[in-house]
Amino acid sequence: GAVVSQHPSWVICKSGTSVKIECRSLDFQATTMFWYRQFPKQSLMLMATSNEGSKATYEQGVEKDKFLINHASLTLSTLTVTSAHPEDSSFYICSARDTGYYEQYFGPGTRLTVT
Amino acid sequence: DAKTTQPTSMDCAEGRAANLPCNHSTISGNEYVYWYRQIHSQGPQYIIHGLKNNETNEMASLIITEDRKSSTLILPHATLRDTAVYYCIVRVDAGNNRKLIWGLGTSLAVNP
Repeated sequence: GAVVSQHPSWVICKSGTSVKIECRSLDFQATTMFWYRQFPKQSLMLMATSNEGSKATYEQGVEKDKFLINHASLTLSTLTVTSAHPEDSSFYICSARDTGYYEQYFGPGTRLTVT
Repeated sequence: DAKTTQPTSMDCAEGRAANLPCNHSTISGNEYVYWYRQIHSQGPQYIIHGLKNNETNEMASLIITEDRKSSTLILPHATLRDTAVYYCIVRVDAGNNRKLIWGLGTSLAVNP
């Protein structure tokens, strides 16, 4: 149980375009989902926390207009990277917290490359 | 900023116990210690968590010192598949949200 999926697993896009990444909890309901970014050989950096049906809470330094987060249902959250630039190339990972529990379960990650 | 410090890397022989230390000297009384691991280019995998008492599950044991300023993750019989980066994390409660603050982790290499 407690499986989280992400789609796509990798994506290459051109500079200036937008990319949407989906995060789904497959066998549980997730009131809260988290989005992280990880650069090579670095740790995970929390970007934002999203609660179902409300606006996401962004960490300091993360541009909310560039990284659009939607958490419209208890099993789906999306991250849209708008007007992507090469410096946005990174490994994006989502996690979901099962309602009533504390553990976060992580998706497999999405490798974004902006050319 | 991360609230934990860990060795950058460790080695362990296959079949032996792997003991991964973590310092969290500034931990608050109600903050939990979590351990995750990340195999290259994959999402992190939950291992175990605890508050005060030692914990054990099918994957590992977590030993927390009485003053809670440090802990040790024990993999009792390490296998080659346990090679990964292991993160010791303090869970911070921020209002209604509980955030995991990640450090750089320990890169564990299990050798045949």
